[in-house]
Amino acid sequence: GEDVEQSLFLSVREGDSSVINCTYTDSSSTYLYWYKQEPGAGLQLLTYIFSNMDMKQDQRLTVLLNKKDKHLSLRIADTQTGDSAIYFCAEKSGGYNKLIFGAGTRLAVHP
Amino acid sequence: EAQVTQNPRYLITVTGKKLTVTCSQNMNHEYMSWYRQDPGLGLRQIYYSMNVEVTDKGDVPEGYKVSRKEKRNFPLILESPSPNQTSLYFCASRSQSGNTEAFFGQGTRLTVV
Repeated sequence: GEDVEQSLFLSVREGDSSVINCTYTDSSSTYLYWYKQEPGAGLQLLTYIFSNMDMKQDQRLTVLLNKKDKHLSLRIADTQTGDSAIYFCAEKSGGYNKLIFGAGTRLAVHP
Repeated sequence: EAQVTQNPRYLITVTGKKLTVTCSQNMNHEYMSWYRQDPGLGLRQIYYSMNVEVTDKGDVPEGYKVSRKEKRNFPLILESPSPNQTSLYFCASRSQSGNTEAFFGQGTRLTVV
């Protein structure tokens, strides 16, 4: 079945770039997403990429998609303390009405 | 303000005592869904609804019921809660033309003792 995997923890220094990686198994995925969850809050859609794209940039966020390797990454430039959160990778397969989520990567930003 | 509202935010209950978690959205979205979030597992879909009176099972529907009598509301019902249903629950919604659940509720933390 479908599966999405991501590392559970990442620690970076304030001002550095963060790269959160994700792998997925369903080659028929149409959209791939990044969500951010701050403590005590719901999920906030950060960005998404359509499967026929390689890259998408939105201000400090860059999403890279390697469809051949089924690898998705989220790069956050100039990481700030406000970026500390759990980041979820998710895929949506064609014809399905659900998102398949990874376990989430906890990003800790330290001075 | 566009939002998905869940109630209650926190709930502690005993095994076997029926409970309902409410979810309401004010965006006239057709599609709504429920997820549970457990450590190390991410979010897993419990039930979803494509429109009024149309509901279907997600990945982990056992022990849960839902109803969709009105477009704005999508309550999650636990007829006989058990400790393995202790979790963080999220309701989400999107329009039929939207490509993802862009709006999530704040979450309901449920503890079953």
